[in-house]
Amino acid sequence: GDSVTQMEGPVTLSEEAFLTINCTYTATGYPSLFWYVQYPGEGLQLLLKATKADDKGSNKGFEATYRKETTSFHLEKGSVQVSDSAVYFCALRGGDYKLSFGAGTTVTVRA
Amino acid sequence: EPEVTQTPSHQVTQMGQEVILRCVPISNHLYFYWYRQILGQKVEFLVSFYNNEISEKSEIFDDQFSVERPDGSNFTLKIRSTKLEDSAMYFCASSEAGWADTQYFGPGTRLTVL
Repeated sequence: GDSVTQMEGPVTLSEEAFLTINCTYTATGYPSLFWYVQYPGEGLQLLLKATKADDKGSNKGFEATYRKETTSFHLEKGSVQVSDSAVYFCALRGGDYKLSFGAGTTVTVRA
Repeated sequence: EPEVTQTPSHQVTQMGQEVILRCVPISNHLYFYWYRQILGQKVEFLVSFYNNEISEKSEIFDDQFSVERPDGSNFTLKIRSTKLEDSAMYFCASSEAGWADTQYFGPGTRLTVL
């Protein structure tokens, strides 16, 4: 079945550091890929998405490129802020309605 | 910006009791979903709902669970005879269209079964 593997955390960074969170997937067909973010005490918010190979999703300085050849969708941000501290979830949707999530990566950014 | 809302934010119940978790999806959305996240584990799909019927469900969604859209705005998840292992954060989501559309999540209801 469909599955997502993302790098384990927690990840602790200083402000203005470069962030990358690795995400790889297993799916049949051509899934859509997502990054969701969960800020402390809040629900899941869509951060960005890509629906086909080589698409780049971007939002709030975050980027991720759908790489079919490596089955990856790594999340990157060039200069993180304290406000980026959150849990980040990689997810895919295959040929049905459900989203399959990775385990989540906790990111803490220190001033 | 429209958002999905859920009530209550935290529900504590005794084992064996029934609970109803409530969600108000975004008003023009037609597809509705429930997910859950047991502490320390992945977010797991439970069920999707469209046109007043279940369109897909996971093996977690057994006879203990049911969903309903009792009126034009609410979408509920009922858990009969709760067990300790039902303790989790339950997320409602909705999407405007179906398979191809983005799902928007509510803030979640934390269910604690004692």
